[in-house]
Amino acid sequence: GENVEQHPSTLSVQEGDSAVIKCTYSDSASNYFPWYKQELGKRPQLIIDIRSNVGEKKDQRIAVTLNKTAKHFSLHITETQPEDSAVYFCAASNPSGGNKLVFGAGTILRVKS
Amino acid sequence: NAGVMQNPRHLVRRRGQEARLRCSPMKGHSHVYWYRQLPEEGLKFMVYLQKENIIDESGMPKERFSAEFPKEGPSILRIQQVVRGDSAAYFCASSRTGIDNSPLHFGNGTRLTVT
Repeated sequence: GENVEQHPSTLSVQEGDSAVIKCTYSDSASNYFPWYKQELGKRPQLIIDIRSNVGEKKDQRIAVTLNKTAKHFSLHITETQPEDSAVYFCAASNPSGGNKLVFGAGTILRVKS
Repeated sequence: NAGVMQNPRHLVRRRGQEARLRCSPMKGHSHVYWYRQLPEEGLKFMVYLQKENIIDESGMPKERFSAEFPKEGPSILRIQQVVRGDSAAYFCASSRTGIDNSPLHFGNGTRLTVT
């Protein structure tokens, strides 16, 4: 089955700097890659997703890139703000899995002001 | 448009008791997914259900755990004879379809504490 690895496990950045979180997946049939943000004690919230027919997607300060050949995808947050501090999870799914998501272990992002 | 509704938000059970967790999907969503999150860990898939059917239960422990999604009413995750290791946050998510990668929307979770 699918296995998703996520790095780093923790990331501290200065306010205004960029943050990059990387994930790799094992199942070449996976074609959907969402990113979720989870604040302490709250539910995971979808912040951006990408499908395998595109290589990059951007939404304001957040962007995601996908390299299908290497089977890795990354989340980029620019001009970080304290409210970006949270746990970020990457995930992958393939069409035969019925939208079931396999998650990475998460990255704790701390933005220092 | 209400999101995914889970109840209760917090549940305390003594060892050996039963825990029942409820999940009402978003309006128009007929696919439900249950995930477990241990403290400071990621989200582990447990089971995927469509109305009246279990589609994938590959992440569900073989004993004590069961799930259903009846024709009427919420999806129920049941844990019988709870043990301390069952203490976790249980999240339910729903999607509109089971194909075309429609996004999963999560509820606020049920935090189960076994004493």
